[in-house]
Amino acid sequence: GENVEQHPSTLSVQEGDSAVIKCTYSDSASNYFPWYKQELGKRPQLIIDIRSNVGEKKDQRIAVTLNKTAKHFSLHITETQPEDSAVYFCAATRSGNTPLVFGKGTRLSVIA
Amino acid sequence: EADIYQTPRYLVIGTGKKITLECSQTMGHDKMYWYQQDPGMELHLIHYSYGVNSTEKGDLSSESTVSRIRTEHFPLTLESARPSHTSQYLCASSPDRGTEQFFGPGTRLTVL
Repeated sequence: GENVEQHPSTLSVQEGDSAVIKCTYSDSASNYFPWYKQELGKRPQLIIDIRSNVGEKKDQRIAVTLNKTAKHFSLHITETQPEDSAVYFCAATRSGNTPLVFGKGTRLSVIA
Repeated sequence: EADIYQTPRYLVIGTGKKITLECSQTMGHDKMYWYQQDPGMELHLIHYSYGVNSTEKGDLSSESTVSRIRTEHFPLTLESARPSHTSQYLCASSPDRGTEQFFGPGTRLTVL
């Protein structure tokens, strides 16, 4: 089955700097890669996702890149702000009747 | 408003008790999931369902059961609660042909 590795487990950046979180997956048939943000005491929420027919996707300050050959995908947050502080989870799955497989999460701290 | 609802939000019980955590969604989704998560930590899939009368075990399914009699309702039962069950339990749902998962607010369970 699918296995998703996520790095780093913790990340501290200065406000205004960029943050990058990387994930690798094992199942070459996986074709959907979402990223979830979980603020303290709240539920995980989808912030961006990418499908295997696309190499990069952007939404304002966040972007996701996918390298299918190397089986890894990354979340990029530019101009970080204190409200970006949260735990971020990557996930992967082949679409259809297969549950998402989540990485173990990255705790991002943005220092003002 | 379409959402996922979980009750109770907080529960403190004694060892050996049988408990049922409720999850309902008004989003019209066929797929539903239960996760166990210590605050800010890894998401562990306990059970999932792809529709009425369909249930599957996840990675952490022992000691709990689920049922799916109605599309909108997916309760989780612990037959005999133990202190090791102390955690947060998150319910989620997703559209039948999509893969984005929407999470409920969670039930924080403490077993004494």
